Amino acid sequence: GQSLEQPSEVTAVEGAIVQINCTYQTSGFYGLSWYQQHDGGAPTFLSYNALDGLEETGRFSSFLSRSDSYGYLLLQELQMKDSASYFCAVDSSGSARQLTFGSGTQLTVLP
Amino acid sequence: GAGVSQSPSNKVTEKGKDVELRCDPISGHTALYWYRQSLGQGLEFLIYFQGNSAPDKSGLPSDRFSAERTGGSVSTLTIQRTQQEDSAVYLCASSLTGQKLFFGSGTQLSVL
Repeated sequence: GQSLEQPSEVTAVEGAIVQINCTYQTSGFYGLSWYQQHDGGAPTFLSYNALDGLEETGRFSSFLSRSDSYGYLLLQELQMKDSASYFCAVDSSGSARQLTFGSGTQLTVLP
Repeated sequence: GAGVSQSPSNKVTEKGKDVELRCDPISGHTALYWYRQSLGQGLEFLIYFQGNSAPDKSGLPSDRFSAERTGGSVSTLTIQRTQQEDSAVYLCASSLTGQKLFFGSGTQLSVL
C-alpha cells in the first residue's frame, strides 16, 4: 500500500521560515505534490516535483529526494494568510489516477 | 466555467436515504476525481474518470457508492442508503495533465 507521513501541526511567527516534511512509502512513484487548504476551503495546488531537487515559486519552494523517499515544502517570509493545512500527495500511477494524500500539516502563523 | 463547481454545498439527510452530489469540472479537463475528507483528515480517493476510459472505482468504500460522468463533463456521485459514517466533505477535482488538480469547494454531507 501507500503511506505518507507529515507532522500534524507546525507553529511559526510572521516573517519566519518554516519547513514541512513529508516521507512516503509507495509501490510506485512518479511525483510529489503539495496542496494548501484554508479552513472550509478547497485544496489549491502549490507544487509538483517529479525529479530530485528544489523547485522555487515565489515564497514557496518544494524539494524532493527520490532516493530518500522524502520531500519538503519550504515557506519563507511567512504571512498570516499562510495559516492553513498543507498536504503532500504522491502520484504512484503516472497519471495522478490515484493521488495518495497525507493527513495534512496544520500551520499556524502567529503575529 | 472559471472553476470546478459542486452542488449542493451542504446536504443534510436522514440515515437510509439516497443522496446525489454533482460536480461540474473545468471545461476541457479530461480527468475528474472524487475524494472524501473527514474532519481534520487527509483526502481519501474514491473514483477517477479519464476521457472515455473505464473509470477507476477502486477507492469506493462500498457498493452503496457509485458515480457516473455524462458526456465527459458533469459527474454525479450517488450514495445509497446513507449511513452516519458517510458524513464528510466530498470533493471533486478536475485536471488536464494529472500533475495539477483543481478542486471544487466540496459538498458537506451530514447524515443524521
